[in-house]
Amino acid sequence: AAGVIQSPRHLIKEKRETATLKCYPIPRHDTVYWYQQGPGQDPQFLISFYEKMQSDKGSIPDRFSAQQFSDYHSELNMSSLELGDSALYFCASTPPAPADTQYFGPGTRLTVL
Amino acid sequence: EDKVVQSPLSLVVHEGDTVTLNCSYEVTNFRSLLWYKQEKKAPTFLFMLTSSGIEKKSGRLSSILDKKELSSILNITATQTGDSAIYLCGGRGAQKLVFGQGTRLTINP
Repeated sequence: AAGVIQSPRHLIKEKRETATLKCYPIPRHDTVYWYQQGPGQDPQFLISFYEKMQSDKGSIPDRFSAQQFSDYHSELNMSSLELGDSALYFCASTPPAPADTQYFGPGTRLTVL
Repeated sequence: EDKVVQSPLSLVVHEGDTVTLNCSYEVTNFRSLLWYKQEKKAPTFLFMLTSSGIEKKSGRLSSILDKKELSSILNITATQTGDSAIYLCGGRGAQKLVFGQGTRLTINP
């Protein structure tokens, strides 16, 4: 069965650089969520999109932005990277309501040097 | 503000023991309570609970939701070393999933 695809799987950047993470949800899923998980921490919700519209916003820094495209894939853009941005970034998708289950991708590990 | 609290934060037991992990939630427009197991990779879905008092089971794992108490428990019987992981509880509102801090479960042989 198809799963959520994230790319790249690993990314190393330097401070003040820009990074773009991509997420391809499971086909026919209409909602995408982004989470950030720092070392030893629980995942923190960043932002979600429903039908290409931002549907909720969590603890996403102003330096980050995201969007969902017409093919439902989503991109998380991160600018002016800081050391503290080093984390595992998960994308999850859900099928149309009333289904609730979020299916997670494998994550992108971002390391900022 | 939506909040999910798990307890204990850490638990170490011997193989074969039974463990109970707790989760309490305060989530606006609550829709469901989800449990995940996280090892050194993305969280793996375990259970989704929407109705109070109905136990869900999967092998040695079971979980139940109490909407009156705004809580849920995850039971693992006859634990094995492979059960060692962080167990995350998430409360889903209309669009957002709020996680607890997780319970780090360690099973010693």
